[in-house]
Amino acid sequence: SQQGEEDPQALSIQEGENATMNCSYKTSINNLQWYRQNSGRGLVHLILIRSNEREKHSGRLRVTLDTSKKSSSLLITASRAADTASYFCATDKETSGSRLTFGEGTQLTVNP
Amino acid sequence: KAGVTQTPRYLIKTRGQQVTLSCSPISGHRSVSWYQQTPGQGLQFLFEYFSETQRNKGNFPGRFSGRQFSNSRSEMNVSTLELGDSALYLCASSSRQPTNEKLFFGSGTQLSVL
Repeated sequence: SQQGEEDPQALSIQEGENATMNCSYKTSINNLQWYRQNSGRGLVHLILIRSNEREKHSGRLRVTLDTSKKSSSLLITASRAADTASYFCATDKETSGSRLTFGEGTQLTVNP
Repeated sequence: KAGVTQTPRYLIKTRGQQVTLSCSPISGHRSVSWYQQTPGQGLQFLFEYFSETQRNKGNFPGRFSGRQFSNSRSEMNVSTLELGDSALYLCASSSRQPTNEKLFFGSGTQLSVL
Protein backbone atom coordinates (compact mmCIF):
# COMPACT_ATOMS: atom_id res chain seq x y z
CA SER A 1 0.00 0.00 0.00
CA GLN A 2 1.09 3.58 -0.47
CA GLN A 3 3.15 5.14 2.28
CA GLY A 4 1.38 8.44 1.77
CA GLU A 5 -2.25 9.32 1.58
CA GLU A 6 -3.31 12.65 0.26
CA ASP A 7 -6.47 14.61 0.62
CA PRO A 8 -8.44 15.86 -0.96
CA GLN A 9 -8.26 13.58 -3.99
CA ALA A 10 -9.53 16.45 -6.10
CA LEU A 11 -9.71 20.19 -5.56
CA SER A 12 -11.29 22.82 -7.79
CA ILE A 13 -10.74 26.52 -7.11
CA GLN A 14 -10.81 29.89 -8.86
CA GLU A 15 -7.72 31.77 -9.99
CA GLY A 16 -6.33 33.89 -7.20
CA GLU A 17 -7.54 31.61 -4.43
CA ASN A 18 -5.23 29.55 -2.24
CA ALA A 19 -5.03 25.78 -2.54
CA THR A 20 -4.14 23.50 0.35
CA MET A 21 -3.31 19.83 -0.03
CA ASN A 22 -2.53 17.42 2.76
CA CYS A 23 -0.40 14.32 2.97
CA SER A 24 -0.20 11.70 5.70
CA TYR A 25 2.37 8.95 5.98
CA LYS A 26 2.91 5.91 8.16
CA THR A 27 6.55 5.45 9.08
CA SER A 28 9.44 7.65 10.15
CA ILE A 29 11.06 9.57 7.34
CA ASN A 30 14.25 11.41 6.47
CA ASN A 31 12.51 13.93 4.27
CA LEU A 32 9.28 14.65 2.45
CA GLN A 33 9.02 16.07 -1.03
CA TRP A 34 6.25 17.47 -3.19
CA TYR A 35 6.08 16.93 -6.93
CA ARG A 36 3.75 18.22 -9.62
CA GLN A 37 2.61 16.26 -12.66
CA ASN A 38 0.85 17.69 -15.65
CA SER A 39 -1.46 15.24 -17.39
CA GLY A 40 0.42 12.23 -18.75
CA ARG A 41 3.82 13.80 -18.26
CA GLY A 42 6.74 13.37 -15.90
CA LEU A 43 6.91 14.72 -12.38
CA VAL A 44 8.53 18.00 -11.50
CA HIS A 45 10.17 18.49 -8.12
CA LEU A 46 8.68 21.40 -6.17
CA ILE A 47 10.12 21.41 -2.69
CA LEU A 48 11.81 19.20 -0.09
CA ILE A 49 11.43 19.47 3.66
CA ARG A 50 13.62 17.52 6.03
CA SER A 51 12.35 15.72 9.10
CA ASN A 52 13.93 18.31 11.41
CA GLU A 53 12.23 21.22 9.65
CA ARG A 54 8.70 22.42 10.34
CA GLU A 55 8.06 24.88 7.53
CA LYS A 56 9.59 25.82 4.22
CA HIS A 57 8.79 28.40 1.55
CA SER A 58 9.55 28.57 -2.14
CA GLY A 59 7.91 31.34 -4.14
CA ARG A 60 4.15 30.84 -3.86
CA LEU A 61 4.60 27.47 -2.15
CA ARG A 62 4.56 26.87 1.56
CA VAL A 63 5.11 23.41 3.01
CA THR A 64 4.66 22.37 6.60
CA LEU A 65 5.67 19.12 8.26
CA ASP A 66 4.38 17.70 11.53
CA THR A 67 6.36 14.56 12.31
CA SER A 68 4.36 13.89 15.48
CA LYS A 69 1.21 13.59 13.36
CA LYS A 70 3.07 12.16 10.38
CA SER A 71 1.53 14.72 8.08
CA SER A 72 2.46 17.51 5.72
CA SER A 73 0.58 20.20 3.87
CA LEU A 74 1.30 22.09 0.68
CA LEU A 75 -0.16 25.56 0.27
CA ILE A 76 -0.18 27.28 -3.11
CA THR A 77 -1.03 30.94 -2.75
CA ALA A 78 -2.64 33.15 -5.41
CA SER A 79 -3.20 30.18 -7.69
CA ARG A 80 -3.05 30.44 -11.48
CA ALA A 81 -4.63 28.36 -14.24
CA ALA A 82 -1.12 27.06 -14.98
CA ASP A 83 -1.07 25.45 -11.52
CA THR A 84 -3.65 22.94 -12.74
CA ALA A 85 -1.96 19.56 -12.26
CA SER A 86 -1.70 16.58 -9.95
CA TYR A 87 0.36 17.06 -6.82
CA PHE A 88 2.13 14.19 -5.07
CA CYS A 89 3.93 13.93 -1.79
CA ALA A 90 6.85 11.54 -1.63
CA THR A 91 8.59 10.21 1.42
CA ASP A 92 11.94 8.67 2.03
CA LYS A 93 11.59 6.09 4.76
CA GLU A 94 14.51 6.05 7.12
CA THR A 95 15.30 2.42 6.50
CA SER A 96 14.62 2.25 2.79
CA GLY A 97 17.77 3.95 1.64
CA SER A 98 17.31 5.46 -1.70
CA ARG A 99 13.78 5.04 -2.97
CA LEU A 100 10.78 7.32 -2.72
CA THR A 101 7.27 6.26 -1.82
CA PHE A 102 4.59 8.41 -3.41
CA GLY A 103 1.14 9.31 -2.20
CA GLU A 104 -1.94 8.92 -4.33
CA GLY A 105 -1.98 12.54 -5.40
CA THR A 106 -4.35 15.48 -5.37
CA GLN A 107 -5.79 16.66 -8.69
CA LEU A 108 -5.91 20.45 -8.58
CA THR A 109 -8.00 22.38 -11.09
CA VAL A 110 -7.67 26.15 -11.15
CA ASN A 111 -10.46 27.78 -13.10
CA PRO A 112 -9.72 31.06 -14.89
CA LYS B 1 21.33 21.02 -20.18
CA ALA B 2 19.02 18.48 -21.73
CA GLY B 3 16.53 16.83 -19.41
CA VAL B 4 15.86 13.16 -18.87
CA THR B 5 14.97 11.54 -22.18
CA GLN B 6 12.78 8.47 -22.42
CA THR B 7 12.11 6.51 -25.58
CA PRO B 8 9.79 5.55 -27.01
CA ARG B 9 7.02 7.90 -25.86
CA TYR B 10 4.25 5.44 -26.70
CA LEU B 11 4.31 1.69 -27.16
CA ILE B 12 1.63 -0.85 -27.97
CA LYS B 13 2.32 -4.52 -27.40
CA THR B 14 0.32 -7.71 -27.10
CA ARG B 15 0.24 -10.16 -24.22
CA GLY B 16 3.22 -12.47 -24.09
CA GLN B 17 5.56 -10.13 -25.90
CA GLN B 18 8.52 -8.42 -24.31
CA VAL B 19 9.46 -4.77 -24.33
CA THR B 20 12.55 -2.66 -23.70
CA LEU B 21 12.33 0.95 -22.57
CA SER B 22 15.22 3.38 -22.66
CA CYS B 23 16.23 6.26 -20.44
CA SER B 24 19.02 8.79 -20.87
CA PRO B 25 19.65 10.72 -17.66
CA ILE B 26 20.72 14.32 -17.37
CA SER B 27 24.37 14.67 -18.28
CA GLY B 28 26.52 14.04 -15.23
CA HIS B 29 23.80 12.21 -13.32
CA ARG B 30 24.89 8.72 -12.36
CA SER B 31 21.76 7.50 -10.64
CA VAL B 32 18.66 6.30 -12.47
CA SER B 33 15.40 5.11 -10.93
CA TRP B 34 12.36 3.61 -12.58
CA TYR B 35 8.73 3.96 -11.49
CA GLN B 36 5.50 2.48 -12.77
CA GLN B 37 2.38 4.65 -12.66
CA THR B 38 -1.13 3.25 -13.00
CA PRO B 39 -4.52 4.72 -12.08
CA GLY B 40 -5.14 1.94 -9.58
CA GLN B 41 -1.76 1.57 -7.86
CA GLY B 42 -0.32 5.04 -8.33
CA LEU B 43 3.44 5.45 -8.51
CA GLN B 44 5.35 2.32 -7.61
CA PHE B 45 9.14 2.05 -7.36
CA LEU B 46 10.66 -0.52 -9.69
CA PHE B 47 14.42 -0.27 -9.24
CA GLU B 48 17.38 2.04 -8.99
CA TYR B 49 20.81 1.91 -10.56
CA PHE B 50 23.98 3.74 -9.67
CA SER B 51 27.28 3.26 -11.49
CA GLU B 52 25.93 0.23 -13.37
CA THR B 53 24.88 -1.53 -10.15
CA GLN B 54 21.32 -2.17 -9.03
CA ARG B 55 21.09 -0.60 -5.59
CA ASN B 56 17.45 -1.12 -4.77
CA LYS B 57 14.52 -3.09 -6.12
CA GLY B 58 10.79 -2.75 -5.60
CA ASN B 59 8.19 -5.47 -5.21
CA PHE B 60 7.77 -6.47 -8.82
CA PRO B 61 8.04 -9.95 -10.35
CA GLY B 62 11.20 -11.13 -12.04
CA ARG B 63 9.67 -10.32 -15.44
CA PHE B 64 10.75 -6.76 -14.75
CA SER B 65 14.46 -6.21 -15.10
CA GLY B 66 16.82 -3.39 -15.86
CA ARG B 67 20.39 -2.44 -16.41
CA GLN B 68 22.61 0.60 -16.58
CA PHE B 69 25.44 1.21 -18.97
CA SER B 70 28.78 2.87 -18.35
CA ASN B 71 27.44 6.15 -19.79
CA SER B 72 24.64 6.05 -17.16
CA ARG B 73 21.94 5.35 -19.74
CA SER B 74 19.49 2.77 -18.49
CA GLU B 75 17.09 0.29 -19.96
CA MET B 76 14.28 -1.65 -18.41
CA ASN B 77 12.83 -4.80 -19.85
CA VAL B 78 9.50 -6.46 -19.24
CA SER B 79 9.12 -10.00 -20.51
CA THR B 80 5.96 -12.01 -21.06
CA LEU B 81 3.75 -8.94 -20.95
CA GLU B 82 0.44 -9.06 -19.12
CA LEU B 83 -2.56 -6.76 -19.48
CA GLY B 84 -1.81 -5.35 -16.03
CA ASP B 85 1.56 -4.11 -17.20
CA SER B 86 -0.18 -1.30 -19.09
CA ALA B 87 1.13 1.82 -17.41
CA LEU B 88 3.17 4.95 -17.68
CA TYR B 89 6.79 4.04 -16.97
CA LEU B 90 8.80 6.92 -15.60
CA CYS B 91 12.53 7.21 -15.35
CA ALA B 92 14.21 9.65 -12.99
CA SER B 93 17.80 10.68 -12.58
CA SER B 94 19.67 12.28 -9.77
CA SER B 95 23.15 13.61 -9.23
CA ARG B 96 23.12 12.85 -5.55
CA GLN B 97 23.76 9.76 -3.53
CA PRO B 98 21.49 8.61 -1.99
CA THR B 99 19.13 9.40 -4.79
CA ASN B 100 16.03 10.17 -2.81
CA GLU B 101 16.43 13.93 -3.04
CA LYS B 102 15.19 15.97 -5.96
CA LEU B 103 14.61 13.48 -8.71
CA PHE B 104 14.43 14.72 -12.29
CA PHE B 105 11.81 12.80 -14.24
CA GLY B 106 11.46 12.11 -17.92
CA SER B 107 8.11 12.40 -19.69
CA GLY B 108 7.63 8.65 -19.52
CA THR B 109 6.82 5.80 -21.84
CA GLN B 110 3.12 5.00 -22.08
CA LEU B 111 2.88 1.23 -22.54
CA SER B 112 -0.37 -0.34 -23.63
CA VAL B 113 -0.67 -4.12 -23.56
CA LEU B 114 -3.51 -5.54 -25.66
